[in-house]
Amino acid sequence: DGGITQSPKYLFRKEGQNVTLSCEQNLNHDAMYWYRQDPGQGLRLIYYSQIVNDFQKGDIAEGYSVSREKKESFPLTVTSAQKNPTAFYLCASSTIAGGLYNEQFFGPGTRLTVL
Amino acid sequence: QKEVEQDPGPLSVPEGAIVSLNCTYSNSAFQYFMWYRQYSRKGPELLMYTYSSGNKEDGRFTAQVDKSSKYISLFIRDSQPSDSATYLCAMKTGNQFYFGTGTSLTVIP
Repeated sequence: DGGITQSPKYLFRKEGQNVTLSCEQNLNHDAMYWYRQDPGQGLRLIYYSQIVNDFQKGDIAEGYSVSREKKESFPLTVTSAQKNPTAFYLCASSTIAGGLYNEQFFGPGTRLTVL
Repeated sequence: QKEVEQDPGPLSVPEGAIVSLNCTYSNSAFQYFMWYRQYSRKGPELLMYTYSSGNKEDGRFTAQVDKSSKYISLFIRDSQPSDSATYLCAMKTGNQFYFGTGTSLTVIP
């Protein structure tokens, strides 16, 4: 089955720790995205990438880092510099046509809680 | 003013009712419009994707876009308890996506 997988489903982090959230897709999509979802605030873009070894900051990139070493994979690291990391994290992907990103498909999400 | 405004609800309807979910927007450059359904603790699922003004139907779902009024709607006919979820609208101009905050819907059996 084609789709986007995220792991783990739940993640607990102690203060001062870095954690990495996994995102893998087998849809052959070029673009991948990371969003953070908080109650009442909708989706906020953290990072996005349209090609291997290239990525751009979104609206709230501070305290986060990403890599895109493979087309299928776009892991997100939440660093200790992120002051309020407790949230639901969503990975998405889309095709690109004519330089334009098409509709996004989302993974199941990872809920991160800082203890 | 936010780019996309969506009433958070919650909205509660009896089974079989017609549901109307709405979003307004301020940017006339938006060209693509999407509706997502998100169950609790799950990722959003794409329901509808439209480009032009007018209606697009898919089973019990109809997406309506009125660009002149900067208003989009999602209608759900014969609503079912399984439709209980949060519905997110989304819009795109160029490569910029904007999401509404979601409307929580409960369909009561």
